[in-house]
Amino acid sequence: SQQGEEDPQALSIQEGENATMNCSYKTSINNLQWYRQNSGRGLVHLILIRSNEREKHSGRLRVTLDTSKKSSSLLITASRAADTASYFCATDAATDSWGKLQFGAGTQVVVTP
Amino acid sequence: DADVTQTPRNRITKTGKRIMLECSQTKGHDRMYWYRQDPGLGLRLIYYSFDVKDINKGEISDGYSVSRQAQAKFSLSLESAIPNQTALYFCATSWGEDSEETQYFGPGTRLLVL
Repeated sequence: SQQGEEDPQALSIQEGENATMNCSYKTSINNLQWYRQNSGRGLVHLILIRSNEREKHSGRLRVTLDTSKKSSSLLITASRAADTASYFCATDAATDSWGKLQFGAGTQVVVTP
Repeated sequence: DADVTQTPRNRITKTGKRIMLECSQTKGHDRMYWYRQDPGLGLRLIYYSFDVKDINKGEISDGYSVSRQAQAKFSLSLESAIPNQTALYFCATSWGEDSEETQYFGPGTRLLVL
């Protein structure tokens, strides 16, 4: 079974708007990571947030983590057409082998010019 | 990521055939993983290896086997392919010494089993 579940499944926005997607997970984690996948290609790591962190920034990306609610959000600010991709959260469960990730089903984001 | 390569990139095979997917990496990582991706299901872990002598089953290992020939090479075999193994397969690597377990993915192998 999947540890992480993203919401929404799909998101369509215009360039310049912000995109927010959420991830919920089931068990305690060491860290939570977000990856991006352009159509049919390999996943690319975006950002990692540790279980003792609440917020992290990287360029136009902002990630939050609420361990009490077992949820995380990814915000992409001032979106561009190049941000069109699927976004996946992945959790490194504290109860499992360290470094073994479980991925959610992803949020498909379309940014129109 | 050019540091992680997969061959072949596309493969069409018939039910019952044995096929091998290969993964090579030049990142010097000790950990390697095989995933499959199906539409709407995200990635699921098939096998993983934390070093050359360490092989572990993942979430969906039935029908698959692996070989870690060297630190840089990790192969996935389908002993007798079946249509529901049609999927996109990804190899990934990570550095075990890094407390932040970022994984680096290959470009994927698209497999169709007829």
